Amino acid sequence: GESVGLHLPTLSVQEGDNSIINCAYSNSASDYFIWYKQESGKGPQFIIDIRSNMDKRQGQRVTVLLNKTVKHLSLQIAATQPGDSAVYFCAENSGGSNYKLTFGKGTLLTVNP
Amino acid sequence: EAGVAQSPRYKIIEKRQSVAFWCNPISGHATLYWYQQILGQGPKLLIQFQNNGVVDDSQLPKDRFSAERLKGVDSTLKIQPAKLEDSAVYLCASRGGLTSYEQYFGPGTRLTVT
Repeated sequence: GESVGLHLPTLSVQEGDNSIINCAYSNSASDYFIWYKQESGKGPQFIIDIRSNMDKRQGQRVTVLLNKTVKHLSLQIAATQPGDSAVYFCAENSGGSNYKLTFGKGTLLTVNP
Repeated sequence: EAGVAQSPRYKIIEKRQSVAFWCNPISGHATLYWYQQILGQGPKLLIQFQNNGVVDDSQLPKDRFSAERLKGVDSTLKIQPAKLEDSAVYLCASRGGLTSYEQYFGPGTRLTVT
């Protein structure tokens, strides 16, 4: 879902469960999307990316799904671990050949042991 | 390979004072970005450099913010005078390769304006 002001969407899961984090992007012309993970006090860290000519991409324990029809992106984390607790941002390349990323509002994932 | 370095990590100033942040990108990365991240929000691009030239500064409040990358490597971001609403984390990122999308972020500088 969307957030307003300081209220991040939150997702709380049990260790070992699968997590799904959703993101709605704004620009139908965006050709590239990235998921970043941001832990407290650190800069965003790359998780996985996907180009607009794909609808699914898998990494290690993570999968990104892209639905261009409804401008929706999701991040699936398998067997979620306490170390996965962080804020997750999706970002879209809205700058074409300028490679400019526009970030979404983020989702706070909390993994309970 | 060393990551993006930023300093200072924390800064507290009073409103109307000035402040400067420094960024050293990953070696060889031609593109450098400065972002502002307000608590609870995603990073917002302030300015993008390609080598020592500005590619995009459309969201930089130019009446108080300035940035430079004189030799195409390190960069500084300055705020003068600071306002309360400038309290945020200032992130620097760099990108290497002509067709690589991925941006690598530094740890950020947390600015508090009182």
